[in-house]
Amino acid sequence: QSALTQPPSASGSLGQSVTISCTGTSSDVGGYNYVSWYQQHPGKAPKLMIYEVSKRPSGVPDRFSGSKSGNTASLTVSGLQADDEADYYCSSYAGSNNLVFGGGTKLTVL
Amino acid sequence: QVQLVESGGGVVQPGRSLRLSCAASGFIFRSYGMHWVRQAPGKGLEWVAVIWYDGNNKYYADSVKGRLTISRDNSKNMLYIQMNSLRAEDTAVYYCARDLLGNGGAFDIWGQGTVVTVSS
Repeated sequence: QSALTQPPSASGSLGQSVTISCTGTSSDVGGYNYVSWYQQHPGKAPKLMIYEVSKRPSGVPDRFSGSKSGNTASLTVSGLQADDEADYYCSSYAGSNNLVFGGGTKLTVL
Repeated sequence: QVQLVESGGGVVQPGRSLRLSCAASGFIFRSYGMHWVRQAPGKGLEWVAVIWYDGNNKYYADSVKGRLTISRDNSKNMLYIQMNSLRAEDTAVYYCARDLLGNGGAFDIWGQGTVVTVSS
């Protein structure tokens, strides 16, 4: 159950777009369409932003989008807003009823 | 409203036990798989365990297998995790979370978390 690989940090200017990657293997990200993304502000519980690679829960703005290619999933945040500054985590089903998270990416809005 | 509220955290000595609880409200608890996820201080999220909607299947991360036991009481809308032989590395905020997909790992509802500190 190795953690998925995310860049430790990412940044973008207000109004711009940023993409965060999440790299796994064919046993997790590449093998299943069960990739999720979470946003976590300091001291708060995580919030589901994307599930099943590209689906948005009700209430999540369409500025947030997800995709996957091979063993790498991506979260794109368009039209960056100040409140988007947070930690972002990916997760994937890893077979045999196991789940794995990425190490997290701290997004800074400049 | 849809809500999960954890309780039971605290400071415990290494080797001792602790049971965490998670009270669910505002949704049909018995219809959802439920998970525990933890976050060590300053670290990322770590999946801990899952229990299926009916309680008949339970699965654990390798790091806790044999020491932590997940359970639920659908008549009381309660989720639990029994933590035995606690280690310093179990120190974390423990969250319970509802799985939108049953067992697919889409956690759409989270509790506020309860803090467990393992220290002598």
